[in-house]
Amino acid sequence: AQTVTQSQPEMSVQEAETVTLSCTYDTSENNYYLFWYKQPPSRQMILVIRQEAYKQQNATENRFSVNFQKAAKSFSLKISDSQLGDTAMYFCASPPPGAGSYQLTFGKGTKLSVIP
Amino acid sequence: DTGVSQDPRHKITKRGQNVTFRCDPISEHNRLYWYRQTLGQGPEFLTYFQNEAQLEKSRLLSDRFSAERPKGSFSTLEIQRTEQGDSAMYLCASSPPSGRAPGELFFGEGSRLTVL
Repeated sequence: AQTVTQSQPEMSVQEAETVTLSCTYDTSENNYYLFWYKQPPSRQMILVIRQEAYKQQNATENRFSVNFQKAAKSFSLKISDSQLGDTAMYFCASPPPGAGSYQLTFGKGTKLSVIP
Repeated sequence: DTGVSQDPRHKITKRGQNVTFRCDPISEHNRLYWYRQTLGQGPEFLTYFQNEAQLEKSRLLSDRFSAERPKGSFSTLEIQRTEQGDSAMYLCASSPPSGRAPGELFFGEGSRLTVL
């Protein structure tokens, strides 16, 4: 069963605008990290932002921020002032329920296109 | 370049042949992961090493797949008797020692396998 759900296969945003990518997850871990990774076309996957579940404050990295709702198991990514270089696949990742501590389950991804 | 490197980047083979992929992690990283990514999907966990010990294996890793990390540095992933369903991008990632896991994964560019 899929444990990370990204419900938006594709999204587009005008340059300089704000866009939010959604993610829901399921885990039985008590304390865990959540991640958003970016995979530009034909390039390697890189970390965008991560959130520790025990921290109530939402993580922020420059133009990227998250809206973490632990009870709802929701972890959305907000990109402000979108830039052309933000065009990529975005993957949400979390530890799956009942798995070892070092696994991550990735969602199917959201393809984001930034339009000039 | 001191990132994660994978070799070969592309491999085309005929069904039934054996293939081997190599991954060189970032030098100070003791954790190494293999993931598989098919078109339109997020990466799927295959296996995890801490130093030379293979600590986790996915059910996706059938008997035809074997991974090694003999000296705790580079790793190899071998697929025997390849099938067309093995066609995918094989991603290697590494991460440094940390008190809590998993932390950030540093990915290579992947090895793309095409089985004819």
